[in-house]
Amino acid sequence: GAGVSQSPSNKVTEKGKDVELRCDPISGHTALYWYRQRLGQGLEFLIYFQGNSAPDKSGLPSDRFSAERTGESVSTLTIQRTQQEDSAVYLCASSLALGAANTGELFFGEGSRLTVL
Amino acid sequence: GESVGLHLPTLSVQEGDNSIINCAYSNSASDYFIWYKQESGKGPQFIIDIRSNMDKRQGQRVTVLLNKTVKHLSLQIAATQPGDSAVYFCAEKRRSGGSYIPTFGRGTSLIVHP
Repeated sequence: GAGVSQSPSNKVTEKGKDVELRCDPISGHTALYWYRQRLGQGLEFLIYFQGNSAPDKSGLPSDRFSAERTGESVSTLTIQRTQQEDSAVYLCASSLALGAANTGELFFGEGSRLTVL
Repeated sequence: GESVGLHLPTLSVQEGDNSIINCAYSNSASDYFIWYKQESGKGPQFIIDIRSNMDKRQGQRVTVLLNKTVKHLSLQIAATQPGDSAVYFCAEKRRSGGSYIPTFGRGTSLIVHP
């Protein structure tokens, strides 16, 4: 399809294990965002990629969290040594560049639900 | 600190009624706001947006009102239908260094009773 694709849709892991979550953005979208959504909560910004610029990592909650993106394609969010408080839905979104003068909607994937036991 | 928040976490309405979902923001420099709808088990979907140089914008059955004086945003849904049941988020475009990040509020759960 032409939408944002995330995998896996569900992931159950044991405390202390590492997990990788994948996001395939819409082709041509230069901006890519990762958000975290805990149960019954809003969307918490994690990291933002825009083209070849340095990513905005200001939302990453700890050094256990990292993300990569190759060019304007796939992104991977990695959580090392998972903790129970990492349990959440991790949402990826892509858009055309969101700058000072322009606006644009974010297109979200359906998320990866992470459960840490 | 800067924040985007919602007054009501849950709103229950009867089918056919009009719904109003409210949002307060604290960053007076924000110049762009968006409403998203999130159905259960899905990612948020764009509904409507508004720039800060506007007071009102209308879409299909939805209207967004912006009151910059009191930093308040609302989403009005006309003739609410059961398919409108979802969580609604307002978001503002926040500057973060040299980039712009959509910052979301907690959300309001809209429940439409047939």
